[in-house]
Amino acid sequence: GENVEQHPSTLSVQEGDSAVIKCTYSDSASNYFPWYKQELGKGPQLIIDIRSNVGEKKDQRIAVTLNKTAKHFSLHITETQPEDSAVYFCAAHEINDMRFGAGTRLTVKP
Amino acid sequence: NAGVTQTPKFRILKIGQSMTLQCTQDMNHNYMYWYRQDPGMGLKLIYYSVGAGITDKGEVPNGYNVSRSTTEDFPLRLELAAPSQTSVYFCASSYGDSAAPSGGYTFGSGTRLTVV
Repeated sequence: GENVEQHPSTLSVQEGDSAVIKCTYSDSASNYFPWYKQELGKGPQLIIDIRSNVGEKKDQRIAVTLNKTAKHFSLHITETQPEDSAVYFCAAHEINDMRFGAGTRLTVKP
Repeated sequence: NAGVTQTPKFRILKIGQSMTLQCTQDMNHNYMYWYRQDPGMGLKLIYYSVGAGITDKGEVPNGYNVSRSTTEDFPLRLELAAPSQTSVYFCASSYGDSAAPSGGYTFGSGTRLTVV
């Protein structure tokens, strides 16, 4: 089955700086790559996603890039704010199977 | 619009007891899932359902059972609870086919289960 690795496990940045979280996947059949944000005591919430026929997608301060050849994808958050502090999960989806990375705890210091 | 609702939010079970975690969604999603989340381990799929009357095992199904009698409800049953089942359980739903969900997954707020 699919294996998703996520790095780093923790990330601390100053407010206004950029944050980058990277994931790799093992199965070339994976075709959909979402990113979820989980705040304390809540369920994960979808923040952005990308499909395998697209190389980059942007939504305001958040962007995701996908390199299918290298089997890796990344989340970029620009102009970070304290409310961006949360745990972020990447995931890779193939037929009826979504596999999640272990998560990155992002802390944005004011 | 409630989305995905899970009950209870917290529960403590003794070893060997049984319980059912409830999950209901009001978005008419065809797919529903149960995940467990252990510290530092991400989310592991327990069971999923592609529609009413159809369920299938995920990555970690042992010790659990599910049923899907309606589109809205997808309860998770724990039989003979064990300490290894101490975890946070999330139910999720999505709309789409097997190739890729449309709009991603919608998660509930979770059930924190402790087995002592």
